[in-house]
Amino acid sequence: DARVTQTPRHKVTEMGQEVTMRCQPILGHNTVFWYRQTMMQGLELLAYFRNRAPLDDSGMPKDRFSAEMPDATLATLKIQPSEPRDSAVYFCASGLGLLNSGNTIYFGEGSWLTVV
Amino acid sequence: AQTVTQSQPEMSVQEAETVTLSCTYDTSENNYYLFWYKQPPSRQMILVIRQEAYKQQNATENRFSVNFQKAAKSFSLKISDSQLGDTAMYFCAFMKLSPLVFGKGTRLSVIA
Repeated sequence: DARVTQTPRHKVTEMGQEVTMRCQPILGHNTVFWYRQTMMQGLELLAYFRNRAPLDDSGMPKDRFSAEMPDATLATLKIQPSEPRDSAVYFCASGLGLLNSGNTIYFGEGSWLTVV
Repeated sequence: AQTVTQSQPEMSVQEAETVTLSCTYDTSENNYYLFWYKQPPSRQMILVIRQEAYKQQNATENRFSVNFQKAAKSFSLKISDSQLGDTAMYFCAFMKLSPLVFGKGTRLSVIA
């Protein structure tokens, strides 16, 4: 059963520490997304990649967040330094093909981040 | 930019009854895609149903169906024979040449 895999599932860290979240997209999917979910803002797009190239990261605070795809099977989202306002659930999602193809986007189970 | 509006923050329904969740969106596009995702307490985002705007026929998936009104830009979700396991947040989402844009969600509680 193909699925998007995210690690860690839960993370509690102190303010100022570096946090790295990892995502393994579904094999063969060439588009990867990072979303953040908070009570106040709902689901927000942070960044997305196609064929490992970043297409849009305008939703990401550039001073502390970075997203990369070192290879087709791994996407990373890094926060350095972390702040309490970064506490949220971070979702990775993947899909196949162009966005105008309407192909379904599949989500991982999320990484719950708490920054104290 | 496209926007998606879910006007019902919370709803409840008795088990075995039918409930309809509302969603409206704003776009100037003609062809696009609409989705409903379910998020149970586990926070997993689960696709419930999808609709292509160029298709007039409303999508159905077992107990879940949509009422797609393109002219009105409305995309409601009907859940028939509600079950306790349907208790979740439900998100309406739009996609066209850009990643999924989500509404704020509707929290549905199914009551025994």
